[in-house]
Amino acid sequence: DIQMTQSPSSLSASVGDRVTITCRASQTISIYLNWYQQKSGRAPKLLISAASSLQSGVPSRFSGSGSGTDFTLTINSLQPEDFATYYCQQSHSTPLTFGQGTRLEIK
Amino acid sequence: QVQLVQSGAEVKKPGSSVKVSCKASGGTFNSFAISWVRQAPGQGLEWMGGIIPMFGTTDFAQRFQGRVTLTADRSTSTAYMELSSLRSEDTAIYYCARTTSYDILTGYPGWGQGTLVTVSS
Repeated sequence: DIQMTQSPSSLSASVGDRVTITCRASQTISIYLNWYQQKSGRAPKLLISAASSLQSGVPSRFSGSGSGTDFTLTINSLQPEDFATYYCQQSHSTPLTFGQGTRLEIK
Repeated sequence: QVQLVQSGAEVKKPGSSVKVSCKASGGTFNSFAISWVRQAPGQGLEWMGGIIPMFGTTDFAQRFQGRVTLTADRSTSTAYMELSSLRSEDTAIYYCARTTSYDILTGYPGWGQGTLVTVSS
C-alpha cells in the first residue's frame, strides 16, 4: 500500500495569511494526487485533482503543485471559511489511501 | 449534477451485519464509479472499496476482503455496502463517493451525506 504522510498535522493561522500543507507519498505516484477539505460534521469536498487541477467552483486562492512523491496545497489569503481539515489522497493504485489530515485552525 | 443520498443511521450488535445504501439522483448512474470511505470518530478517511455499477466490477482494500460486499442496482440507481462480522472498531461514519468516469483511480467530486454506524452491545 502507498503511505501518504501530511505535514504539519495541525496549523494555526490568521485570516489573510498564506499557508502551505505538504503531502509525501511512500513511492512515486506521478500526479495522481487529490486534495480534499472537510469541515466538522460534513463530507469531504474535492478541491484539487491530478495534483494541480482546481475543481469548478473552488476559489482561486487554493492551488496545488508537485509530482512524484512530494506535493503541496497552498491557500493564499486565508478566509474564515477555510478553517477546516485537509486531506491528500493518492489515486495511483488501489487501495486508495489518504494522508492523516492537517487541521487548520484560527490563530 | 448527480446527488448521492445515503440511508439513515444504524445501531448494530457485535457480530451482526449492516447494509448501507447510496441512491444517485439527477444523473446517469451508469456513468461513474462509486467508492466507500469510512471515518471513525475523530479519525481520518479510510477507503474500503469501490464498484463500477455499469460493469459490476469491484475492488477492495485487503483488510476488508471477505467482510465487505459492494453491489449496485442499476434499475434504482442505488449502490449498497454490506459489512459483516461487525466489531466495535467498525463504529464510524460511512460515506459513498462518486467519480466522473468509469475509474476508481481518480478524485471524488461527489459525496453522500454519510451514514453513522454504531456497533455496541
